[in-house]
Amino acid sequence: QKEVEQNSGPLSVPEGAIASLNCTYSDRGSQSFFWYRQYSGKSPELIMFIYSNGDKEDGRFTAQLNKASQYVSLLIRDSQPSDSATYLCAEFRQTGANNLFFGTGTRLTVIP
Amino acid sequence: DAGVIQSPRHEVTEMGQEVTLRCKPISGHDYLFWYRQTMMRGLELLIYFNNNVPIDDSGMPEDRFSAKMPNASFSTLKIQPSEPRDSAVYFCASSFVGGEAFFGQGTRLTVV
Repeated sequence: QKEVEQNSGPLSVPEGAIASLNCTYSDRGSQSFFWYRQYSGKSPELIMFIYSNGDKEDGRFTAQLNKASQYVSLLIRDSQPSDSATYLCAEFRQTGANNLFFGTGTRLTVIP
Repeated sequence: DAGVIQSPRHEVTEMGQEVTLRCKPISGHDYLFWYRQTMMRGLELLIYFNNNVPIDDSGMPEDRFSAKMPNASFSTLKIQPSEPRDSAVYFCASSFVGGEAFFGQGTRLTVV
């Protein structure tokens, strides 16, 4: 089983809608989670991280973490065409060796 | 800081040739990661270093792949001999402990 699972999409939402991106993980020892955005042909860039259960908001972005369900999500409010990209979920696991595992990413398209 | 610097940005080589990819991490970061990204497999961790020491190389696909980090400011990933299936984008990333990794611009490798 892959450590981090994401729906590869593609996910299409109209401009102004809420985009919901989801990620599940297998290791209960995982401590922190990161959402990266990757535009086509570019490198991944960090947009949010979350350590604690609950919600964390940053502008139009909200990360949600539920450690009991081993579930992390990213909500994008008022989606813009410029949000169209692949979103990568990553977990940092500090059991044994420190390591950063990535999901395969969800491709989001925001339709004007 | 200029961020993580990778070279070359693009590399085209013939099957059987040796390929060397280079990375300069962000100054002060003590973790360095090498990732490979393909459409089929997403972002895969190949190897990572902590304080210049290789910690986990279980992601290195074959003995044809090797990586070194002779000092805190430089790392190489070498493929010898290269094969067409090695064609991918190779990313280097660096971080402090805690997993917030910053990526270089990547090297697009094409083996013909």
